[in-house]
Amino acid sequence: DAGVTQSPTHLIKTRGQQVTLRCSPKSGHDTVSWYQQALGQGPQFIFQYYEEEERQRGNFPDRFSGHQFPNYSSELNVNALLLGDSALYLCASSPWTGKAEAFFGQGTRLTVV
Amino acid sequence: AQSVTQLGSHVSVSEGALVLLRCNYSSSVPPYLFWYVQYPNQGLQLLLKYTSAATLVKGINGFEAEFKKSETSFHLTKPSAHMSDAAEYFCAVSSSTGTASKLTFGTGTRLQVTL
Repeated sequence: DAGVTQSPTHLIKTRGQQVTLRCSPKSGHDTVSWYQQALGQGPQFIFQYYEEEERQRGNFPDRFSGHQFPNYSSELNVNALLLGDSALYLCASSPWTGKAEAFFGQGTRLTVV
Repeated sequence: AQSVTQLGSHVSVSEGALVLLRCNYSSSVPPYLFWYVQYPNQGLQLLLKYTSAATLVKGINGFEAEFKKSETSFHLTKPSAHMSDAAEYFCAVSSSTGTASKLTFGTGTRLQVTL
Protein backbone atom coordinates (compact mmCIF):
# COMPACT_ATOMS: atom_id res chain seq x y z
CA ASP A 1 0.00 0.00 0.00
CA ALA A 2 1.58 3.27 -1.16
CA GLY A 3 -0.32 5.36 1.36
CA VAL A 4 -1.15 8.96 0.50
CA THR A 5 1.01 10.34 -2.28
CA GLN A 6 1.42 13.99 -3.21
CA SER A 7 3.08 15.69 -6.14
CA PRO A 8 5.20 17.61 -6.64
CA THR A 9 7.28 17.56 -3.45
CA HIS A 10 8.63 21.07 -3.95
CA LEU A 11 7.50 23.98 -6.08
CA ILE A 12 8.62 27.56 -6.60
CA LYS A 13 6.17 30.06 -8.11
CA THR A 14 6.09 33.79 -8.70
CA ARG A 15 3.50 36.11 -7.16
CA GLY A 16 0.34 36.26 -9.24
CA GLN A 17 0.83 32.85 -10.81
CA GLN A 18 -1.44 29.86 -10.41
CA VAL A 19 -0.49 26.46 -9.00
CA THR A 20 -2.00 22.96 -8.97
CA LEU A 21 -1.09 20.37 -6.37
CA ARG A 22 -2.08 16.73 -6.63
CA CYS A 23 -2.97 14.00 -4.17
CA SER A 24 -3.72 10.28 -4.45
CA PRO A 25 -5.47 8.87 -1.37
CA LYS A 26 -4.64 5.71 0.50
CA SER A 27 -6.22 2.62 -1.00
CA GLY A 28 -9.77 2.17 0.29
CA HIS A 29 -10.21 5.83 1.26
CA ASP A 30 -12.82 7.96 -0.48
CA THR A 31 -12.43 11.31 1.31
CA VAL A 32 -9.63 13.80 0.76
CA SER A 33 -8.86 16.85 2.88
CA TRP A 34 -6.30 19.58 2.28
CA TYR A 35 -4.38 21.48 4.92
CA GLN A 36 -1.98 24.43 4.82
CA GLN A 37 0.90 24.45 7.28
CA ALA A 38 2.82 27.69 7.51
CA LEU A 39 6.32 27.58 8.95
CA GLY A 40 6.21 27.00 12.70
CA GLN A 41 2.44 26.56 12.78
CA GLY A 42 -0.03 23.72 13.00
CA PRO A 43 -1.89 22.62 9.88
CA GLN A 44 -4.97 24.66 8.97
CA PHE A 45 -7.95 23.01 7.26
CA ILE A 46 -8.62 24.27 3.74
CA PHE A 47 -11.41 22.00 2.48
CA GLN A 48 -12.61 18.42 2.17
CA TYR A 49 -13.92 16.44 -0.80
CA TYR A 50 -16.19 13.42 -0.91
CA GLU A 51 -18.09 12.05 -3.92
CA GLU A 52 -16.47 14.77 -6.05
CA GLU A 53 -18.10 17.54 -4.01
CA GLU A 54 -16.67 20.00 -1.52
CA ARG A 55 -18.17 18.98 1.81
CA GLN A 56 -16.51 21.33 4.28
CA ARG A 57 -14.43 24.45 3.88
CA GLY A 58 -12.14 26.30 6.24
CA ASN A 59 -11.49 30.02 6.38
CA PHE A 60 -9.66 30.36 3.08
CA PRO A 61 -10.44 32.74 0.20
CA ASP A 62 -11.96 31.69 -3.09
CA ARG A 63 -8.49 31.76 -4.65
CA PHE A 64 -8.22 28.29 -3.16
CA SER A 65 -10.26 25.73 -5.06
CA GLY A 66 -10.21 22.02 -5.50
CA HIS A 67 -11.46 19.05 -7.36
CA GLN A 68 -11.95 15.36 -6.74
CA PHE A 69 -11.92 12.81 -9.51
CA PRO A 70 -13.94 9.57 -9.82
CA ASN A 71 -10.88 7.58 -8.68
CA TYR A 72 -10.90 9.68 -5.45
CA SER A 73 -7.69 11.54 -6.27
CA SER A 74 -7.77 15.27 -5.75
CA GLU A 75 -6.24 18.57 -6.85
CA LEU A 76 -5.75 21.80 -4.97
CA ASN A 77 -5.59 24.94 -7.09
CA VAL A 78 -4.44 28.31 -5.88
CA ASN A 79 -4.85 31.38 -8.09
CA ALA A 80 -3.17 34.78 -7.89
CA LEU A 81 -0.47 33.55 -5.56
CA LEU A 82 0.64 35.75 -2.70
CA LEU A 83 3.88 35.58 -0.74
CA GLY A 84 1.79 34.49 2.24
CA ASP A 85 0.72 31.36 0.39
CA SER A 86 4.20 29.94 0.91
CA ALA A 87 3.68 26.87 3.08
CA LEU A 88 3.65 23.10 3.27
CA TYR A 89 0.41 21.80 1.76
CA LEU A 90 -0.73 18.52 3.21
CA CYS A 91 -3.25 16.11 1.81
CA ALA A 92 -5.05 13.69 4.11
CA SER A 93 -7.31 10.80 3.21
CA SER A 94 -9.84 8.85 5.24
CA PRO A 95 -13.00 6.84 4.83
CA TRP A 96 -16.16 8.98 4.81
CA THR A 97 -17.86 6.92 7.53
CA GLY A 98 -16.67 5.54 10.83
CA LYS A 99 -13.99 6.47 13.27
CA ALA A 100 -10.95 5.85 11.13
CA GLU A 101 -8.20 8.38 11.38
CA ALA A 102 -6.84 10.54 8.58
CA PHE A 103 -3.60 9.49 6.88
CA PHE A 104 -1.34 12.27 5.65
CA GLY A 105 0.94 12.54 2.67
CA GLN A 106 4.46 13.95 2.79
CA GLY A 107 3.25 17.31 1.60
CA THR A 108 4.14 19.77 -1.13
CA ARG A 109 6.42 22.62 -0.14
CA LEU A 110 5.27 25.72 -2.06
CA THR A 111 7.50 28.77 -2.13
CA VAL A 112 6.14 31.97 -3.64
CA VAL A 113 8.75 34.56 -4.64
CA ALA B 1 -16.37 25.41 17.48
CA GLN B 2 -13.61 23.06 18.48
CA SER B 3 -10.08 23.92 19.49
CA VAL B 4 -7.01 22.51 21.17
CA THR B 5 -4.35 24.27 23.19
CA GLN B 6 -0.89 22.84 23.50
CA LEU B 7 0.98 24.16 26.51
CA GLY B 8 4.64 24.71 25.81
CA SER B 9 5.95 25.28 22.31
CA HIS B 10 9.27 23.67 23.25
CA VAL B 11 9.95 20.83 25.68
CA SER B 12 13.42 19.49 26.42
CA VAL B 13 14.08 16.22 28.22
CA SER B 14 17.08 14.03 28.82
CA GLU B 15 17.31 10.65 27.14
CA GLY B 16 15.60 8.12 29.42
CA ALA B 17 13.45 10.74 31.17
CA LEU B 18 9.67 10.96 31.18
CA VAL B 19 8.06 12.77 28.27
CA LEU B 20 4.91 14.79 29.01
CA LEU B 21 3.32 16.92 26.29
CA ARG B 22 0.18 18.78 27.29
CA CYS B 23 -3.01 19.23 25.31
CA ASN B 24 -6.33 20.72 26.40
CA TYR B 25 -9.38 20.69 24.17
CA SER B 26 -12.59 22.60 23.79
CA SER B 27 -15.55 20.97 22.11
CA SER B 28 -19.33 21.37 22.27
CA VAL B 29 -19.82 17.74 21.21
CA PRO B 30 -18.03 14.56 22.28
CA PRO B 31 -14.64 14.85 20.65
CA TYR B 32 -12.33 12.56 18.82
CA LEU B 33 -8.76 13.39 19.81
CA PHE B 34 -5.48 12.61 18.09
CA TRP B 35 -1.76 13.02 18.53
CA TYR B 36 0.37 13.28 15.40
CA VAL B 37 4.17 13.48 15.08
CA GLN B 38 6.02 15.35 12.35
CA TYR B 39 9.68 14.85 11.58
CA PRO B 40 11.54 17.58 9.65
CA ASN B 41 10.33 18.08 6.08
CA GLN B 42 7.81 15.26 6.39
CA GLY B 43 4.07 14.83 6.71
CA LEU B 44 2.15 13.86 9.82
CA GLN B 45 2.18 10.38 11.32
CA LEU B 46 -0.54 9.26 13.70
CA LEU B 47 0.70 8.31 17.16
CA LEU B 48 -2.63 7.49 18.76
CA LYS B 49 -6.33 8.36 18.79
CA TYR B 50 -9.23 8.57 21.22
CA THR B 51 -12.67 7.80 19.79
CA SER B 52 -14.79 7.36 22.95
CA ALA B 53 -13.69 3.85 23.83
CA ALA B 54 -11.02 3.33 26.53
CA THR B 55 -9.85 6.57 28.13
CA LEU B 56 -6.23 5.38 28.28
CA VAL B 57 -5.00 5.05 24.75
CA LYS B 58 -1.78 3.33 23.76
CA GLY B 59 -0.04 4.28 20.56
CA ILE B 60 3.07 3.56 18.58
CA ASN B 61 6.66 3.95 19.77
CA GLY B 62 5.71 3.57 23.43
CA PHE B 63 3.51 6.67 23.63
CA GLU B 64 0.18 6.79 25.43
CA ALA B 65 -2.42 9.41 26.31
CA GLU B 66 -5.27 9.62 28.79
CA PHE B 67 -8.59 11.31 28.01
CA LYS B 68 -9.83 13.22 31.07
CA LYS B 69 -13.21 14.77 30.45
CA SER B 70 -13.29 16.56 33.81
CA GLU B 71 -10.04 18.35 32.93
CA THR B 72 -10.71 18.56 29.16
CA SER B 73 -7.22 17.19 28.68
CA PHE B 74 -5.49 14.65 26.49
CA HIS B 75 -1.84 14.74 27.52
CA LEU B 76 0.76 12.61 25.74
CA THR B 77 3.31 10.65 27.76
CA LYS B 78 6.19 8.27 27.27
CA PRO B 79 8.03 6.74 30.23
CA SER B 80 11.52 6.92 28.74
CA ALA B 81 12.58 9.32 25.99
CA HIS B 82 14.78 8.21 23.13
CA MET B 83 16.84 10.39 20.84
CA SER B 84 14.64 9.32 17.94
CA ASP B 85 11.62 10.93 19.66
CA ALA B 86 12.91 14.41 18.82
CA ALA B 87 10.25 15.90 16.54
CA GLU B 88 7.22 18.21 16.43
CA TYR B 89 4.07 16.88 18.08
CA PHE B 90 0.56 18.04 17.27
CA CYS B 91 -2.65 17.47 19.18
CA ALA B 92 -5.81 17.58 17.08
CA VAL B 93 -9.58 17.38 17.64
CA SER B 94 -12.45 16.44 15.37
CA SER B 95 -16.15 16.04 15.96
CA SER B 96 -17.70 12.60 16.37
CA THR B 97 -20.37 12.96 13.70
CA GLY B 98 -19.92 9.50 12.25
CA THR B 99 -18.61 10.88 8.98
CA ALA B 100 -15.20 12.25 8.11
CA SER B 101 -14.66 15.52 9.89
CA LYS B 102 -12.03 18.20 9.66
CA LEU B 103 -9.15 18.17 12.11
CA THR B 104 -8.37 21.23 14.18
CA PHE B 105 -4.74 21.25 15.24
CA GLY B 106 -2.85 22.88 18.05
CA THR B 107 0.21 24.98 17.39
CA GLY B 108 2.55 22.10 18.12
CA THR B 109 5.22 21.24 20.69
CA ARG B 110 8.80 20.71 19.62
CA LEU B 111 10.39 17.93 21.67
CA GLN B 112 14.14 18.05 22.13
CA VAL B 113 15.93 15.03 23.62
CA THR B 114 19.38 15.57 25.05
CA LEU B 115 22.08 13.12 26.12
